[in-house]
Parts: sequence; structure tokens; C-alpha cells
Amino acid sequence: SQQGEEDPQALSIQEGENATMNCSYKTSINNLQWYRQNSGRGLVHLILIRSNEREKHSGRLRVTLDTSKKSSSLLITASRAADTASYFCATDTTSGTYKYIFGTGTRLKVLA
Amino acid sequence: KAGVTQTPRYLIKTRGQQVTLSCSPISGHRSVSWYQQTPGQGLQFLFEYFSETQRNKGNFPGRFSGRQFSNSRSEMNVSTLELGDSALYLCASLEIPGQGYEQYFGPGTRLTVT
Repeated sequence: SQQGEEDPQALSIQEGENATMNCSYKTSINNLQWYRQNSGRGLVHLILIRSNEREKHSGRLRVTLDTSKKSSSLLITASRAADTASYFCATDTTSGTYKYIFGTGTRLKVLA
Repeated sequence: KAGVTQTPRYLIKTRGQQVTLSCSPISGHRSVSWYQQTPGQGLQFLFEYFSETQRNKGNFPGRFSGRQFSNSRSEMNVSTLELGDSALYLCASLEIPGQGYEQYFGPGTRLTVT
């Protein structure tokens, strides 16, 4: 099964609203990354948060990490139609295998 | 720096054939990972190479193989193609794995098996 599970699976909001996506994982991690994917294209790196960090900001993005709950959230503020995409979290586990495991993704649709 | 490049971008093959996909990582990046993305299974890890050595492998049959060259460029090969191998194959590079570096993806190769 996937290490990461995003929630919700799909989200539809109006332009200007905030969008929150959650990611849960199962094992201890070194870091967690969030990616955006537009309609079957390559993944665009959004933000990386290390296991010793609790919150990180980048422009309109805010990521939190709660290692005790093994969960992370991605907040997109003041959403735009161009934010319409699928969003994935990926975890780099501490098992020593140095591979990233992806969640199932959240499909975000921002309506103009 | 130039981003991760993958060739070809699109490929149509027939069942039973084999295919080779290529990935050039960002300059200075020594780790290359491959992923398969399908609507049903999502993003599945195939394998990871670092300094020409395969260090990790996902749960894929032996028909899927890869290699990395001394310049960090990587190729993956799929032999005896099956219809279920139709997918977007993504390559990702990072400087040094396990050190908190960001992983960057290429645009992918869309493989269609008929």
C-alpha cells in the first residue's frame, strides 16, 4: 500500500478561497515533499519540509508537518484557476533505502 | 541549470517489443529514480541509481531494468511489453539521497503499448 495517503481525493473551490490538503504516512521520515502535477505532465516541486521542521512557507503555500501524527498539510491561500492540478506528497523514509514514496494525490479544481 | 530531460516524450510500441527510455539529470545530481504513473496505481517507484549502482528497486517484474552511466545519465528498459505497461514514466534526480535535497522531475515519457 502507499506510504502516503492524501485527503481529500478531490477538492473543488472558488477562485480566491483557500485550499487545504492533507497527507498521512506510515513510517518515520527524513523529509516530506509536496508536488504539483498538471494533467498528466511531469511533477513540479513545490516545497520540502524536513522532519525537524514544523512549518514552512513559500509564497501562497504553507506546509505543516506533525511527525507525532505522521501527517502533513498543504495550504494554498487565495487560490487561482492556474492552481488547478493534482497535488502529491512524497516521503523519504528513514529505512535507509533512500526512495521516495508517493501518496495517492488530491485533485484540486479551482473555479473561476 | 537545465532541468531533468527525458527522451523520447511519446512512444507507441506493440506487445512483445522492448523499449528503452532515457533520462538526463540536472547537472551535478548523482541520484536518478524512475517512477511509473498509471491512473489505477498512481505513482509507483521503479528503481533508484546512485553513482552507477542500483540501490533500490520497487515491486516490478524483472522485465523492468535500468542502468546509470558515469555521467549520471540513466536509461530504463522494459522488455516483452504488455498492455499494462502503458503509462507515464517519470524520472527524477537529486543531488545526494537521504540528505534532505529536493527531488526534481522530468516531463515524463508517455508509453502506449498496443
